[in-house]
Amino acid sequence: GAGVSQSPSNKVTEKGKDVELRCDPISGHTALYWYRQSLGQGLEFLIYFQGNSAPDKSGLPSDRFSAERTGGSVSTLTIQRTQQEDSAVYLCASSSGLYTEAFFGQGTRLTVV
Amino acid sequence: GENVEQHPSTLSVQEGDSAVIKCTYSDSASNYFPWYKQELGKRPQLIIDIRSNVGEKKDQRIAVTLNKTAKHFSLHITETQPEDSAVYFCAATDRGSTLGRLYFGRGTQLTVWP
Repeated sequence: GAGVSQSPSNKVTEKGKDVELRCDPISGHTALYWYRQSLGQGLEFLIYFQGNSAPDKSGLPSDRFSAERTGGSVSTLTIQRTQQEDSAVYLCASSSGLYTEAFFGQGTRLTVV
Repeated sequence: GENVEQHPSTLSVQEGDSAVIKCTYSDSASNYFPWYKQELGKRPQLIIDIRSNVGEKKDQRIAVTLNKTAKHFSLHITETQPEDSAVYFCAATDRGSTLGRLYFGRGTQLTVWP
């Protein structure tokens, strides 16, 4: 594809429900990031995948959050038992390798009601 | 891992003036330093980057300087325009165990008044 694609663009869910957010990186990009951005705030790192290496999960805020990357391409971020404080924009980014530009998707706006 | 500090958190300038945003990093092995601009409601986009083998890079009205000894780098915007208003993020790459992960600063909200 032409860029990083995220789906859905918007998601409204009830507190306690599970949600899955999808990221389609640019084809061939080996690195993939997930960030969370609350309104007016910075980029909160969640998880980083680089090639076949074990992912850096150090940013996941709790065990309700998990992510996987299948076949080195598509990634899914799963939030279990959503809470209101999970409401934010979730951004995915990919890059072609080390020390290269990271391209961001348009984000998924998650609202937990 | 790397730790990136960014200052100031907010910056207001008059149109035509210059703006400077500064970042410091902790890992002396870091070697790639990009800057991203995020306009309201949009995704962050790269505006300029610098590698550790150079001290300065320019692209029209924007420039980045790097001081490896002091472990800090700065974004300079000259002749600011209202469309420069956005949040700017600096970042650094850790060459250590985190395989080139980007570490972002907390962002600077730049407002350019006409």
